[in-house]
Amino acid sequence: NAGVTQTPKFRVLKTGQSMTLLCAQDMNHEYMYWYRQDPGMGLRLIHYSVGEGTTAKGEVPDGYNVSRLKKQNFLLGLESAAPSQTSVYFCASSYNNRQETQYFGPGTRLLVL
Amino acid sequence: KNQVEQSPQSLIILEGKNCTLQCNYTVSPFSNLRWYKQDTGRGPVSLTIMTFSENTKSNGRYTATLDADTKQSSLHITASQLSDSASYICVVLASGTYKYIFGTGTRLKVLA
Repeated sequence: NAGVTQTPKFRVLKTGQSMTLLCAQDMNHEYMYWYRQDPGMGLRLIHYSVGEGTTAKGEVPDGYNVSRLKKQNFLLGLESAAPSQTSVYFCASSYNNRQETQYFGPGTRLLVL
Repeated sequence: KNQVEQSPQSLIILEGKNCTLQCNYTVSPFSNLRWYKQDTGRGPVSLTIMTFSENTKSNGRYTATLDADTKQSSLHITASQLSDSASYICVVLASGTYKYIFGTGTRLKVLA
């Protein structure tokens, strides 16, 4: 089991560029989440999904879009990157209810110039 | 406003010593409280999950306690090891939501 994997590990973007972060899990989890982690702040939920084909907004969704076309994949898109989106992005997954353990990926470090 | 506050911000201890990390929260009602360990450059790893009805939960040398009346939790680390050097994050799940509220963490450094 690879667990939760994230691609890429690190990326530098120029303001206005777009990109997609890929999260994949091989644990057959229903729930998947995207978080961002900034210095001095706790992780904040961007978007989440409770099953294939479903997505919902979290705490800080502006500037991001997501898709869950396949159960094992959760994509996070930045349509027009801004310096404020410089952060470390973590994907997580969990089984099928909110009491279950969340398993986190290794993170993607994004720098927007 | 739902908040999770942790103390201390950072802590340095000698290998073999015990330590206790604190978490105070204002989330109400809450579903469960979690402690995570996050090594530098890695994703958080779950240590314990407690519902409001549980007072204590152990995972090896890690023991978490919860006082739902005072809205406080602690994580006690026994016989610390160098590999315990990491950030420890307290997370509270608001009841009826998918909103996990993360504390900013306590950065622990264990010295030989």
